[in-house]
Amino acid sequence: AQSVAQPEDQVNVAEGNPLTVKCTYSVSGNPYLFWYVQYPNRGLQFLLKYITGDNLVKGSYGFEAEFNKSQTSFHLKKPSALVSDSALYFCAVRDDGATNKLIFGTGTLLAVQP
Amino acid sequence: GAVVSQHPSRVICKSGTSVKIECRSLDFQATTMFWYRQFPKQSLMLMATSNEGSKATYEQGVEKDKFLINHASLTLSTLTVTSAHPEDSSFYICSARKIAGTAYQETQYFGPGTRLLVL
Repeated sequence: AQSVAQPEDQVNVAEGNPLTVKCTYSVSGNPYLFWYVQYPNRGLQFLLKYITGDNLVKGSYGFEAEFNKSQTSFHLKKPSALVSDSALYFCAVRDDGATNKLIFGTGTLLAVQP
Repeated sequence: GAVVSQHPSRVICKSGTSVKIECRSLDFQATTMFWYRQFPKQSLMLMATSNEGSKATYEQGVEKDKFLINHASLTLSTLTVTSAHPEDSSFYICSARKIAGTAYQETQYFGPGTRLLVL
């Protein structure tokens, strides 16, 4: 069965510093990986996805993620954090069953201090 | 773009009444939509997969007679919480699957969510 793990409940970073939000995955076939962000009392916004091709995926709002097959990781990164990046981040993997549903991690709260 | 709307954004109802939540894909067609439930400070729990023109597929433990799903068109899915009780109070989020090219080029886009409070 497909699964993702987000080992950190919360990540704290100072504004202007680089940020990393970790995600590891477990899949039985090809991994289809996604990152979403959720602001308070809002739905999820799509940031980026990895299907195939370059291991470094660029997404919205200056975010990028690096797919690492040997480490089965898909960490989300940004070179310079903004206070407005503070939100809840979810990593997800697409299930290989009939519905291709997304399986979400537990989420990581990113807090960027000014 | 890929915009998904939900209506209402917030609803308060009395125990025992039914509440309908609409999910619309505004600029693309979606043969498949998903309904999630999210408790405070927790991840999303998939409730069901809504398929246009056919019955929804419910996740284990989700009562299909309580959470009625109708996918009437390629841009609209509705979730009706029947005989709502306080324990049904939650944040309900829908998503719509957009396929570009092959089925593997798909992305789910999420609505803004509906906050349900049952008194």
